[in-house]
Amino acid sequence: GAGVSQSPSNKVTEKGKDVELRCDPISGHTALYWYRQSLGQGLEFLIYFQGNSAPDKSGLPSDRFSAERTGGSVSTLTIQRTQQEDSAVYLCASSLLRIGNTEAFFGQGTRLTVV
Amino acid sequence: QKEVEQNSGPLSVPEGAIASLNCTYSDRGSQSFFWYRQYSGKSPELIMSIYSNGDKEDGRFTAQLNKASQYVSLLIRDSQPSDSATYLCAVITSGTYKYIFGTGTRLKVLA
Repeated sequence: GAGVSQSPSNKVTEKGKDVELRCDPISGHTALYWYRQSLGQGLEFLIYFQGNSAPDKSGLPSDRFSAERTGGSVSTLTIQRTQQEDSAVYLCASSLLRIGNTEAFFGQGTRLTVV
Repeated sequence: QKEVEQNSGPLSVPEGAIASLNCTYSDRGSQSFFWYRQYSGKSPELIMSIYSNGDKEDGRFTAQLNKASQYVSLLIRDSQPSDSATYLCAVITSGTYKYIFGTGTRLKVLA
């Protein structure tokens, strides 16, 4: 696609429910990133994919968070047993990640509200 | 020490002036540097990338990189009220392909 696409744009869920957030990267981009941004805060790294593998998942806050990427394209971030502190905007970015061209482009984000 | 540091601001400049935004980073081996603009309620938008020491110009924007001093800056010439936003500095640190972001500088351009 022309840009990084995330769905849903907004998600309201009850505490304790599971949620799935989807990211469709720019076509041909091998690297895919998930970040989280709480209100008024900076971007917090969660996980990075190169192809279908995740060389760095050091930012996942707890074992309630998991992510996968299939076909070197679409990625899904799953949060199990959601808590109120999970409320944030979840941002996905993709990059070609080649020498001299490591620019990353963000999707519009998914605003998650846990009530 | 934070890996990427920025003054949170707000930085207020009059319309038409030059806005100067600064960022320092801790990993001397970093090779890739980026400036993003983020409007309130929106996602970050890439403005500039810079990989080599010196200046890189794109329209009203100039990125400056000094690896010896470990800082990167962004100059916005002829600032417009529409430039009012939070500007995020990002760095890819050595040994990883993870983008580390500063907390951002809020810029206000006064009409």
